[in-house]
Amino acid sequence: AQSVSQHNHHVILSEAASLELGCNYSYGGTVNLFWYVQYPGQHLQLLLKYFSGDPLVKGIKGFEAEFIKSKFSFNLRKPSVQWSDTAEYFCAVYGNNRLAFGKGNQVVVIP
Amino acid sequence: KAGVTQTPRYLIKTRGQQVTLSCSPISGHRSVSWYQQTPGQGLQFLFEYFSETQRNKGNFPGRFSGRQFSNSRSEMNVSTLELGDSALYLCASSLDGPGIAGELFFGEGSRLTVL
Repeated sequence: AQSVSQHNHHVILSEAASLELGCNYSYGGTVNLFWYVQYPGQHLQLLLKYFSGDPLVKGIKGFEAEFIKSKFSFNLRKPSVQWSDTAEYFCAVYGNNRLAFGKGNQVVVIP
Repeated sequence: KAGVTQTPRYLIKTRGQQVTLSCSPISGHRSVSWYQQTPGQGLQFLFEYFSETQRNKGNFPGRFSGRQFSNSRSEMNVSTLELGDSALYLCASSLDGPGIAGELFFGEGSRLTVL
């Protein structure tokens, strides 16, 4: 079964700073890749997804992610964060008929 | 359209008891997945049901079981509860299955505390 690794589980940064969250997976077959976000007090929701095509995908709220197949990575980025980006971010990989999530990154943006 | 509805939202049980959680998916969605969310462990896959059949199962003991009804509503059951079962149990629905065609739609979860 595939596994998903997310690094830097707790991230604290100031508004306007850039954010990059790493995601690496272990699975040799074809994968679909996702980032989900959970804002405080809300349910998980999709941020962006990659199935095929352009490896640089754009999601909601100015987020983007880049799929690098050779590195088994799907890192999430945002050039300039806002206080409202405070949330927990989960990378997920679909392969072998199941969707596996990483342990999440807790991101706190200080105004 | 209405989202994924999970009941109950909160519950407290004692060790050895059993619990049943319910999930009503978005209308038209045939796939329901269950996840256990705990601090530091993220979301761990329990099982997925599609058209009343368990299509996939995670690495949880047999105390964790589930089922899906003809209207796509799903229940999961945990028997002989242990302290370590305390968690947020999330249900997610999708049209055809997680990751196949698009996104999962999550409910707000059922928070189980085992004393």
